[in-house]
Amino acid sequence: DVKVTQSSRYLVKRTGEKVFLECVQDMDHENMFWYRQDPGLGLRLIYFSYDVKMKEKGDIPEGYSVSREKKERFSLILESASTNQTSMYLCASNQANYGYTFGSGTRLTVV
Amino acid sequence: AQKITQTQPGMFVQEKEAVTLDCTYDTSDPSYGLFWYKQPSSGEMIFLIYQGSYDQQNATEGRYSLNFQKARKSANLVISASQLGDSAMYFCAMREMLTGANSKLTFGKGITLSVRP
Repeated sequence: DVKVTQSSRYLVKRTGEKVFLECVQDMDHENMFWYRQDPGLGLRLIYFSYDVKMKEKGDIPEGYSVSREKKERFSLILESASTNQTSMYLCASNQANYGYTFGSGTRLTVV
Repeated sequence: AQKITQTQPGMFVQEKEAVTLDCTYDTSDPSYGLFWYKQPSSGEMIFLIYQGSYDQQNATEGRYSLNFQKARKSANLVISASQLGDSAMYFCAMREMLTGANSKLTFGKGITLSVRP
């Protein structure tokens, strides 16, 4: 069964910490995406990548960075976590113009 | 302007009845795709159905069908014979093929559906 795996289901971090959210896909997909989901706001795109070492800003990149050193892995980095980054983070991947396959999400709480 | 609009408040439906979840979209791209996803309380996003802008017929997948009205820019999801397991949040999303970058999807804010026994 094809999969997108997010390393943590729940995460609690302190304000100011550097946080890494990891996402791995086993489908050899070119494209990978990071979204955050907040009540009443839906899913908003943070960053995406269409190839190794390539990245593009989404709609809300401020406070985040990403890394894609290998095709299967796309990491979201919060350089200095803040309470307004408490959210559900969803990783997804796809090939060409096909639909997304999503990971199960990481619920991050910054205290 | 929002690209995807889902304005219904929480929706309720009786088990075994049909329900329509509304979605309107805004694009100037002549080539686009519309998606519906389901998110149960467990959090995973489940793909339900896809409609391409040039598709001649409305998409159907089992109990799901998409009422695609291109001129009105609406892509409503119809769930027939609702089941208790249909209780979830539902998201409409769009991909713009020509103007959009690298197959990214733009999502609406979602609609919560509750199925009553």
